[in-house]
Formats: sequence, C-alpha cells, structure tokens
Amino acid sequence: RKEVEQDPGPFNVPEGATVAFNCTYSNSASQSFFWYRQDCRKEPKLLMSVYSSGNEDGRFTAQLNRASQYISLLIRDSKLSDSATYLCAVKGGADGLTFGKGTHLIIQP
Amino acid sequence: GAGVSQSPSNKVTEKGKDVELRCDPISGHTALYWYRQSLGQGLEFLIYFQGNSAPDKSGLPSDRFSAERTGGSVSTLTIQRTQQEDSAVYLCASSLSSSGHGQETQYFGPGTRLLVL
Repeated sequence: RKEVEQDPGPFNVPEGATVAFNCTYSNSASQSFFWYRQDCRKEPKLLMSVYSSGNEDGRFTAQLNRASQYISLLIRDSKLSDSATYLCAVKGGADGLTFGKGTHLIIQP
Repeated sequence: GAGVSQSPSNKVTEKGKDVELRCDPISGHTALYWYRQSLGQGLEFLIYFQGNSAPDKSGLPSDRFSAERTGGSVSTLTIQRTQQEDSAVYLCASSLSSSGHGQETQYFGPGTRLLVL
C-alpha cells in the first residue's frame, strides 16, 4: 500500500468553479501535513500547512481527518493561475516528508 | 530574504563519472533535506541533517550516494560512478528545525537537474 495517495487527475475545471482534492495517508503516526504546489519544471512551493482544526487562506481551505487518515484541499473561485500540480505531504517525525505523486489541475477559461 | 539555493542548476555527465551537488539553506535553518524527483515520479526523500548530523541514511538509493554537511550550513550530495537511472532533479529543502509545531515547514530550492548520458 502506498504511503500517501492522491488522484493524479487531471482535473479540468472551468474558471470560477470550486474544486476539491483528497489525499490519504497510511501511517497513523503521521504528525504534520502540508499541501505544496508545483509548477512545471519548478520546485514545490508551500501552499498551506494543515492543522487538525482546519485552516483557511483566502480562497484555499485545508482540512485534516485523522480518524479516516485523509487531508483535503478546497479551492474556491478558481483562477487560471491556479493551474499546477498539487502535492500532498506528510511527516511522521524528525525526518523527511513523504509526498503523494500529485494531482494535476487545469483551469480552463 | 534569500531562499534555498542550489548549484549547479543543470549538470550533464557521462555514466561512471562522479558528481557533487551543493545546497545552501536558508540562513538560520538547522534542518536540511535532500529529495529526488524522477520524470513522472513523486518526490523521494533521501536524507536529512539536523545540524551536521544525519541520523538516518537508509533513504539513500545505494552506497554510491553520500551526503555531508559542515558548519551547520552548506550541504553536498555526492553520487559516485553515476548511472543513467540517477538522472533526476535533486531538490534540497530546509526548515527551522526537524520537528516542532510550526518549525518543521520545509522550503525548497530550485533543484539541480542531473542528466547521466
């Protein structure tokens, strides 16, 4: 079983729509959770940390469900510039992140 | 402020040659991480340093890979006797600390694209 799983997509979404991604993780001892955004041929850039209480940053909302071991990302009022690959990342302790393979999002005009 | 920097940005080498990749973390970040991203694959964690110490080297793909960090700052990842399957983007990240709420967020450098012919 893969440690972190994401639907690879692509998700083709019209501009202005709301889109949601889920990510599941297998290690119940995971402590920290993140969403990164990666543009083509660029490095991952932190989008949001994900907290147990859920958190919101402008059009972006992240949720954590520890019981079901998944995290989610909601993008409202999507923009063309939101087109990218969204990477879910999980950290168990004092070591590296375990990444999903990413979900490819395409916002269409 | 200055982010994580890596050099070289691109490296083309011949099979069997050794290569050295460099990472300069964000100033004040004590934790440093190396990842590899192969074409069409996810990011693969290789090794991390807390200060100059690497507690777990089991993520390195083979004994041809080694990494060191001196002075709690710059790190180098060395690949000896490179093989074609080593071709990938090698990414470095740093964080304030390797653990602790809010301190473990990792920021990535632009990566080194390695092509082994």
